[in-house]
Amino acid sequence: NAGVTQTPKFRVLKTGQSMTLLCAQDMNHEYMYWYRQDPGMGLRLIHYSVGEGTTAKGEVPDGYNVSRLKKQNFLLGLESAAPSQTSVYFCASSYLLREQYFGPGTRLTVT
Amino acid sequence: AQSVAQPEDQVNVAEGNPLTVKCTYSVSGNPYLFWYVQYPNRGLQFLLKYITGDNLVKGSYGFEAEFNKSQTSFHLKKPSALVSDSALYFCAVREGSARQLTFGSGTQLTVLP
Repeated sequence: NAGVTQTPKFRVLKTGQSMTLLCAQDMNHEYMYWYRQDPGMGLRLIHYSVGEGTTAKGEVPDGYNVSRLKKQNFLLGLESAAPSQTSVYFCASSYLLREQYFGPGTRLTVT
Repeated sequence: AQSVAQPEDQVNVAEGNPLTVKCTYSVSGNPYLFWYVQYPNRGLQFLLKYITGDNLVKGSYGFEAEFNKSQTSFHLKKPSALVSDSALYFCAVREGSARQLTFGSGTQLTVLP
């Protein structure tokens, strides 16, 4: 079991560029989440999904889009990156509303 | 609305001493409470949770947490700290059937040898 994996691990973007972060889980979890972690602010929820084909906004959704075309994958897109999106991004999954399992994170820098 | 507070950014404790990391929460209904640990450059790992039942919850690596409804607290404890316990600890809360989990800002625990 690989658990939750994230691709890529690191990325540097210039302002205005776009990119997609991929999250994959092999635990057959229905629920998946994208968070960002910034110093002193804990984790903030960007978007989440409660099943294939469904997505919902979290606490800080602006500037991000997501898609859940397959149950095991949850994609996070940045259409036009801004320096304020420099952060560490974590994906997580859970069996319904039980404890969440996290991926190793993607460190994104926008210059 | 649900919220959680971790009043201490940093906690230092000597190896072998008991440790406590504090967490208070605010919800309108029944709370579901979680503790996670994060080691440097890693994702968060689940430690323990309170859903219902016994107020003292036991989790991984010898950690436990005490749910106190009257004080709206869920403090993380360990009887004897190890240097390897040094990490960033997050408390999180979910209210009832809410789908979103709200995290505290984290407490950096340093265990001194």
